[in-house]
Amino acid sequence: DQQVKQNSPSLSVQEGRISILNCDYTNSMFDYFLWYKKYPAEGPTFLISISSIKDKNEDGRFTVFLNKSAKHLSLHIVPSQPGDSAVYFCAASPAQGGSEKLVFGKGTKLTVNP
Amino acid sequence: ETGVTQTPRHLVMGMTNKKSLKCEQHLGHNAMYWYKQSAKKPLELMFVYNFKEQTENNSVPSRFSPECPNSSHLFLHLHTLQPEDSALYLCASSHLGQGHGYTFGSGTRLTVV
Repeated sequence: DQQVKQNSPSLSVQEGRISILNCDYTNSMFDYFLWYKKYPAEGPTFLISISSIKDKNEDGRFTVFLNKSAKHLSLHIVPSQPGDSAVYFCAASPAQGGSEKLVFGKGTKLTVNP
Repeated sequence: ETGVTQTPRHLVMGMTNKKSLKCEQHLGHNAMYWYKQSAKKPLELMFVYNFKEQTENNSVPSRFSPECPNSSHLFLHLHTLQPEDSALYLCASSHLGQGHGYTFGSGTRLTVV
């Protein structure tokens, strides 16, 4: 049973427009959420995170929104750039500290077209 | 070297071979992890080590054997693997309690023939 779901395997957007990547989770114990970005032949790199006490966290062009009641989070990238083309993984953890065991989604491949 | 380093980057092995994957972190982290990434599947947690002690074995078959001699090094010993074990094996590290998530290595692309 998948606890973290990224239902869109791929997304294609035009350069300069907004990219919205979605993630749903089923475990109400999850308290901390992260987005990772992965280029081919490289490991995932941390992008942005959000704690369940917040509903929004912003870092430059990247904003993560959390809707706890819907068990849904999204990553907004605006404006999108060709260098943003990568696979984006959503991850969740039951705690911000402690064991930090992360559960990942399958990923969404984002392609930003020039 | 900085960050998390994994060697080798690519490995092809027969089903009767024995090989080892190596991971080294230079970040002063105190937790290390092995993940498996298969095509069209989520990243699957295999093993967790906190302060060199294994705290999680996620129902991984015994043909995968982890070793953590110190908090900077992590190995994954492989023997009598199956073709379905072909995947990208990712090592990660973190600092417990800091909540900044993991730092991943680049992975080892394993092919079992």
